[in-house]
Amino acid sequence: AQSVTQLGSHVSVSEGALVLLRCNYSSSVPPYLFWYVQYPNQGLQLLLKYTSAATLVKGINGFEAEFKKSETSFHLTKPSAHMSDAAEYFCAVKTGANNLFFGTGTRLTVIP
Amino acid sequence: GAGVSQSPSNKVTEKGKDVELRCDPISGHTALYWYRQSLGQGLEFLIYFQGNSAPDKSGLPSDRFSAERTGGSVSTLTIQRTQQEDSAVYLCASSPGLAGGSTDTQYFGPGTRLTVL
Repeated sequence: AQSVTQLGSHVSVSEGALVLLRCNYSSSVPPYLFWYVQYPNQGLQLLLKYTSAATLVKGINGFEAEFKKSETSFHLTKPSAHMSDAAEYFCAVKTGANNLFFGTGTRLTVIP
Repeated sequence: GAGVSQSPSNKVTEKGKDVELRCDPISGHTALYWYRQSLGQGLEFLIYFQGNSAPDKSGLPSDRFSAERTGGSVSTLTIQRTQQEDSAVYLCASSPGLAGGSTDTQYFGPGTRLTVL
C-alpha cells in the first residue's frame, strides 16, 4: 500500500524567505513522486516529478525537491518566496497503479 | 483547446437528483482519470480509463457513481440520487498513456464544483 503525509496544512512565509513544504511517503516498492500546485479556482498543475533518475529534481517557478529514500521524504523547496507562490500544494505518489495517491495538501501564504 | 476542459464549472442540484459531469481530455491522450476533491478529504481517485481497456473503477465510492468514455475521448461521470456528502469538486485529468506509463504526467482540468442541497 502507498500513502503520502504532508506535514502542516498551512505554512506562512515572508516574501523572499525560504519555502519548505514537507512530504513523506509510504510505499512497499520504489515510488514515483509528484508535486502539484493548485491556484484558487484552478485545476492542478505539475510542479515537478521524481521518476528514479536524479534524486534532486528541479521544477517550474524555481521549485525543487529532493528524493531521500532513507528518510522516505520528498520535500519541496524554493530559496525565495514570491507573492505569486501563494497557493495549495499537493504531494502525490504512484507505485505502478494507475492513479495518484495525494496528500491532504499544504496551503502556502506569502506575507509581504 | 490545449488543455483538459470540464463542464459545467458549477452545478447546484437537489438531493436525490441525478447529475452528469463532462470531461474533454487533451487530444491524443489515451488515459483519463476522475478524482474528487472534498473539503478536509483531499483528492480521492475515482476511476481510470486507458484506451479500450476495461476501466479501473476501484475508487468509486458507491454504485450511485458511474462513468463512461465514448470513442476513447470525452468522458461523462454520472452520480445518481445525489446526496449532500457528494458535494465536492470533481476533477478530470488526462495523460498520454505511454507504455509503462507510471511516470506519465497527468494534466488536470479546472474541475466541476458540485453542490447538493
